[in-house]
Amino acid sequence: EAQVTQNPRYLITVTGKKLTVTCSQNMNHEYMSWYRQDPGLGLRQIYYSMNVEVTDKGDVPEGYKVSRKEKRNFPLILESPSPNQTSLYFCASSFNSPPNTGELFFGEGSRLTVL
Amino acid sequence: RKEVEQDPGPFNVPEGATVAFNCTYSNSASQSFFWYRQDCRKEPKLLMSVYSSGNEDGRFTAQLNRASQYISLLIRDSKLSDSATYLCVVTPGGPGYSSASKIIFGSGTRLSIRP
Repeated sequence: EAQVTQNPRYLITVTGKKLTVTCSQNMNHEYMSWYRQDPGLGLRQIYYSMNVEVTDKGDVPEGYKVSRKEKRNFPLILESPSPNQTSLYFCASSFNSPPNTGELFFGEGSRLTVL
Repeated sequence: RKEVEQDPGPFNVPEGATVAFNCTYSNSASQSFFWYRQDCRKEPKLLMSVYSSGNEDGRFTAQLNRASQYISLLIRDSKLSDSATYLCVVTPGGPGYSSASKIIFGSGTRLSIRP
């Protein structure tokens, strides 16, 4: 089944404890992206990747890191999480890169709470 | 001013009604337009692309008005299953945007269909 898989789906952590949210897609998509969704603010792009070893900042990259060592994986790293990073996170991928004409496929989301 | 703006709603309409909502965008050089649907606590999924000539998919019709810089979504004969949040998505273009790699989501319009 074609899908984007995120883990963990739910996580409660404490300030400063490094964490990684994994994202994997099995559709051989070139474009991958991370978003956070907050009430009233909609989906905001954190980082995106046009292809392996190519990553770039989105609108809200502060406090996050990413890597794209393999085509299928695009992990999101929070080196020192803070409470303002409490949010619902979505990973997405697209066959087209850039994705301006294609569909974005989303993972099921990861709900992160930082205490 | 936000780059993409939507009326947050909620729109509360009876089953069988026709409902329409708009989304305005600020960048006149925007290139691609989409409507995504997001069910409560789920990931967004593509509903339809919006073409310059307008397009229809069953009960759903999408229109683009470049002169006034908005897109619209019309839902006819609404069903209970249409209850969701509808996200407007725009890919900007013009100076300062590289290869349409940026995707902007509206905050969403919440639609609730009552029996």
